[in-house]
Amino acid sequence: GQQLNQSPQSMFIQEGEDVSMNCTSSSIFNTWLWYKQDPGEGPVLLIALYKAGELTSNGRLTAQFGITRKDSFLNISASIPSDVGIYFCAGQKSGGGADGLTFGKGTHLIIQP
Amino acid sequence: KAGVTQTPRYLIKTRGQQVTLSCSPISGHRSVSWYQQTPGQGLQFLFEYFSETQRNKGNFPGRFSGRQFSNSRSEMNVSTLELGDSALYLCASSRDRNTEAFFGQGTRLTVV
Repeated sequence: GQQLNQSPQSMFIQEGEDVSMNCTSSSIFNTWLWYKQDPGEGPVLLIALYKAGELTSNGRLTAQFGITRKDSFLNISASIPSDVGIYFCAGQKSGGGADGLTFGKGTHLIIQP
Repeated sequence: KAGVTQTPRYLIKTRGQQVTLSCSPISGHRSVSWYQQTPGQGLQFLFEYFSETQRNKGNFPGRFSGRQFSNSRSEMNVSTLELGDSALYLCASSRDRNTEAFFGQGTRLTVV
C-alpha cells in the first residue's frame, strides 16, 4: 500500500539539540498526525493537524500541516533522553478512505550522551 | 479514562492454526481500526469498523477478518496462519470516523 516519505530515517543527536523531521506525499491528506512509539508499545499520539498551513504546538513539540496538504514537519526543541524512540507521521483522507491511516516508515531518534 | 486495551499481549501459534485478537476501545469511542506492523512493511491498515459494520478494508487477503460488537469492542481473526503473519497487531480507537486515533499496546503474534 501507499506510504508516506518520511525523513530522515534516523537521527543521532546530543541532548539539548533541536530536532526536525518531515513527511511528504504525492497524495493530498485532510489530516496529518504525528505519533511516537517506544519499543514493545503502541504508537502514542503527539499532535493532530486538521487545516492546511496550521501550526500546532504541544510543549516542546511543534508541527505544521503543509499548505499543499501533501507534507508536514515535526520539530522537537531542546531534546531530552525520554525523546528517544521512533516517530511516525500519518495521513488521513476524508470520508475514511480505503486506506485508513497511511503511515511513514518512521524516524528513529537516538540521543547520544 | 482507560486507554485502548488489547489482549493478549503476546501469542505464539503454529502455521495453519487460526487466532483471534481482542480490542476494547476507549469508552465512548465508536470507531475501531486494526493495523499490522512489521519491520519490512511498517504500519499497514487492515480494516476499520464503525457501528458494527466494516467500513474500509486494506490490501490483505481474506484470511484476515474482523468484527465489532454493539459495545464497540472488536475482534480480528486470522485463519490458516503463515510465517509471514508474524507481526505486531495494533488496534486504534476513535470517537468517530476521521477523528484522532489512539492506539493500544498491540498484540505480538509469532507464527512458528
